[in-house]
Amino acid sequence: GENVEQHPSTLSVQEGDSAVIKCTYSDSASNYFPWYKQELGKGPQLIIDIRSNVGEKKDQRIAVTLNKTAKHFSLHITETQPEDSAVYFCAASRDNYGQNFVFGPGTRLSVLP
Amino acid sequence: NAGVTQTPKFQVLKTGQSMTLQCAQDMNHEYMSWYRQDPGMGLRLIHYSVGAGITDQGEVPNGYNVSRSTTEDFPLRLLSAAPSQTSVYFCASSYNGAGRGADTQYFGPGTRLTVL
Repeated sequence: GENVEQHPSTLSVQEGDSAVIKCTYSDSASNYFPWYKQELGKGPQLIIDIRSNVGEKKDQRIAVTLNKTAKHFSLHITETQPEDSAVYFCAASRDNYGQNFVFGPGTRLSVLP
Repeated sequence: NAGVTQTPKFQVLKTGQSMTLQCAQDMNHEYMSWYRQDPGMGLRLIHYSVGAGITDQGEVPNGYNVSRSTTEDFPLRLLSAAPSQTSVYFCASSYNGAGRGADTQYFGPGTRLTVL
């Protein structure tokens, strides 16, 4: 089955700097890759997603890149702000029927003022 | 829209007790699922449903039961609670059901369960 790895597990950056989180997946049939942000005590919330027919997607300060050949995708956050501090999860899905997602273990991002 | 709601927020059980975690969505989503979240392990799929009357097992289904009698509700039943089921449980839903591709999942606020 699918296996998703995520690095780093923790990341601290200064406010205004960029943050990059990387994920790798094992199933070449995976075709949908969302990123979720989880704040303390809350459920995960989608922040950006990418499908396998696209190499890059941007939404204001957030971007995701996908390398299908290498089977990895990355989340880029520019001009980080204290409110970006949270746990970020990547996920991969190949199952058009059941939409079964496999999640990475998460990255705890701390943005220091 | 209230989105995805879960009750209770917190629950403490003794080993062997049974209980039902409630999940409801008001977005007319076909797909609903249950995950458990444990430290350092991300979210793992327990059971899912692609529509009323249709359920299937995920990665970690043992000890849990589900049913989907309506589009809105997807309860998760713990048959005989064990300490290994101590976790945070999230319900999620998305619009697309069978055969229409993966879509954005909306998560509920979670239920924190402790089994003593």
